[in-house]
Amino acid sequence: AQSVTQPDIHITVSEGASLELRCNYSYGATPYLFWYVQSPGQGLQLLLKYFSGDTLVQGIKGFEAEFKRSQSSFNLRKPSVHWSDAAEYFCAVGARGSNYKLTFGKGTLLTVNP
Amino acid sequence: DSGVTQTPKHLITATGQRVTLRCSPRSGDLSVYWYQQSLDQGLQFLIQYYNGEERAKGNILERFSAQQFPDLHSELNLSSLELGDSALYFCASSVGPSYTFGSGTRLTVV
Repeated sequence: AQSVTQPDIHITVSEGASLELRCNYSYGATPYLFWYVQSPGQGLQLLLKYFSGDTLVQGIKGFEAEFKRSQSSFNLRKPSVHWSDAAEYFCAVGARGSNYKLTFGKGTLLTVNP
Repeated sequence: DSGVTQTPKHLITATGQRVTLRCSPRSGDLSVYWYQQSLDQGLQFLIQYYNGEERAKGNILERFSAQQFPDLHSELNLSSLELGDSALYFCASSVGPSYTFGSGTRLTVV
């Protein structure tokens, strides 16, 4: 069965600082990996996705993530955080063999201090 | 606008009642997925339909049911509602692994 762990429930960073949100997954084959962002009261917006190929993927809003098969990780990074990045971030894993059903992590809440 | 439309956006109802949530997928997408988001359980997969047929089932209660119609819109029916059913219900549509989520229906059971 697929599973996703986001070890950090809440992270606080200062505006302009760098950010790394951790995600570890469990799946037998090569998974499809996603990062979504959710602002309060809003829906889920896709930041980036990894299906295959280059393990460093670029997304919207200046985010990037790196797939590391050996560590079963897909960490999200941003070099300089903006106040508007404050939101909840979800890592998700899916696979063709499971009808592309997504399994989500519990989320990491990001607070940005001015 | 993501292209996936969910109605209503908010719903307040009493325990024991039945409600229907509606989802119109993005044009051309044959798959529809329903997810429930609650504070204690996080985002949980409920059920998937593909071109009118049920494809996968997750942690969906027996009191809940869904269907996908010939025009590909989907409805999630929740009956005998309990306080614990209060949550945000998302619909997503896809072609393959790329999902597009709707903005959700917030259900409050009082």
